[in-house]
Amino acid sequence: EVQLVESEGGLVQPGRSLRLSCAASGFTFSSHWMHWVRQDPGKGLVWVSRINPGGSDTDYADSVKGRFTISRDNADNTLYLQMNMLRAEDTAVYYCARGTTGAGGWFGPWGQGALVTVSS
Amino acid sequence: QSALTQPASVSGSPGQSITISCTGTSSDVGNYDFVSWYQQHPGKAPKLMIYEVTKRPSGVSNRFSGSKSGSTASLTISGLQAEDEADYYCCSYAGYSIYYVFGTGTKVTVL
Repeated sequence: EVQLVESEGGLVQPGRSLRLSCAASGFTFSSHWMHWVRQDPGKGLVWVSRINPGGSDTDYADSVKGRFTISRDNADNTLYLQMNMLRAEDTAVYYCARGTTGAGGWFGPWGQGALVTVSS
Repeated sequence: QSALTQPASVSGSPGQSITISCTGTSSDVGNYDFVSWYQQHPGKAPKLMIYEVTKRPSGVSNRFSGSKSGSTASLTISGLQAEDEADYYCCSYAGYSIYYVFGTGTKVTVL
């Protein structure tokens, strides 16, 4: 069974940092693009970042560029999102999601989500 | 980049068919066949229902189907069932710099 299990989020003060992780199992992790998508409480989905199978190519939404860093450890089947200089508007549930093995744009399955609250 | 436009809500009776529209632009929906649809029940993670406009992942009911015309994609749910009551989001690849844009979301209610 394909499974993605995220670390717990948490409460963090504005300007501080937090790292999320996503443990993958049940598929060849090193063959797939991986993504982070967030959802503001009670609102819609917003794509955040992606990383290619080898880990050499990363892309970000403008809202997090320069502050967030996506990475992966293919030996450990784990995806990461390092979030620095957090702002109140980064408060959201963060989901990791499996992407395609090649070109394209779909996400499935998704992790259970990690709530990140940025507040003083 | 603005979100793709979806109706806020759609409702139908059990057994009926409903269609959810997803309107984008020539830079996203109209330019790529990488439209996908997601179902999200309250408090749960989204689930992939349709990818590449018309394709259904293994395990998804054939009551769900997708299509696209120009810059508008659509999701049709036929034989509506109580378990279909959820939020639905479309998503399109939007090329370099924007990458992916989601729809505003549609709440489906089974009457």
